[in-house]
Amino acid sequence: GNSVTQMEGPVTLSEEAFLTINCTYTATGYPSLFWYVQYPGEGLQLLLKATKADDKGSNKGFEATYRKETTSFHLEKGSVQVSDSAVYFCALSRSGGGADGLTFGKGTHLIIQP
Amino acid sequence: EAQVTQNPRYLITVTGKKLTVTCSQNMNHEYMSWYRQDPGLGLRQIYYSMNVEVTDKGDVPEGYKVSRKEKRNFPLILESPSPNQTSLYFCASSFSRGRQPQHFGDGTRLSIL
Repeated sequence: GNSVTQMEGPVTLSEEAFLTINCTYTATGYPSLFWYVQYPGEGLQLLLKATKADDKGSNKGFEATYRKETTSFHLEKGSVQVSDSAVYFCALSRSGGGADGLTFGKGTHLIIQP
Repeated sequence: EAQVTQNPRYLITVTGKKLTVTCSQNMNHEYMSWYRQDPGLGLRQIYYSMNVEVTDKGDVPEGYKVSRKEKRNFPLILESPSPNQTSLYFCASSFSRGRQPQHFGDGTRLSIL
């Protein structure tokens, strides 16, 4: 079946530090991969996506590369800010076989300290 | 403004009292879906709908019903709520199919006593 594994945290970093949140997946077929971000009290917002192997998604200084050989989609940012504090979810799309929608990881709580 | 609107945002109720959480989108999306978010479990899909009058079960459909009579609306119905349905619920929509990026509502926090 489909599954997504990501570090749960909390992950605590100082402002301007380098960020990596690991995400690996198991899937049948060729899913699209997503990172969503959830700020306190809000719904999920799409951060970035990649639809095929070797695609790089990027947005707001974050980036992630679809690595089919390692089944990974790690999220990185070179210099984090306090405003990046949120919960980050890695997700994959699934379709066919009677299923359609997103399979999410459990989320990684990121805390950035000034 | 493109948005997915859920109501209510918060609800405290008692076991067995039927409730409906409404979801409406203004983007003419064909695909809509409901998820629940629980600590340590992430988000899990309850039901989805590919189009009007087309609905299907997700990963955790037990105890829930949905309907899709109009393209813009996708209500979630709990006919006899139980405490294990206490959770944070999100409605989402996308242009077509689950492969597309989904737009999420702000969530509905349900407490079933």
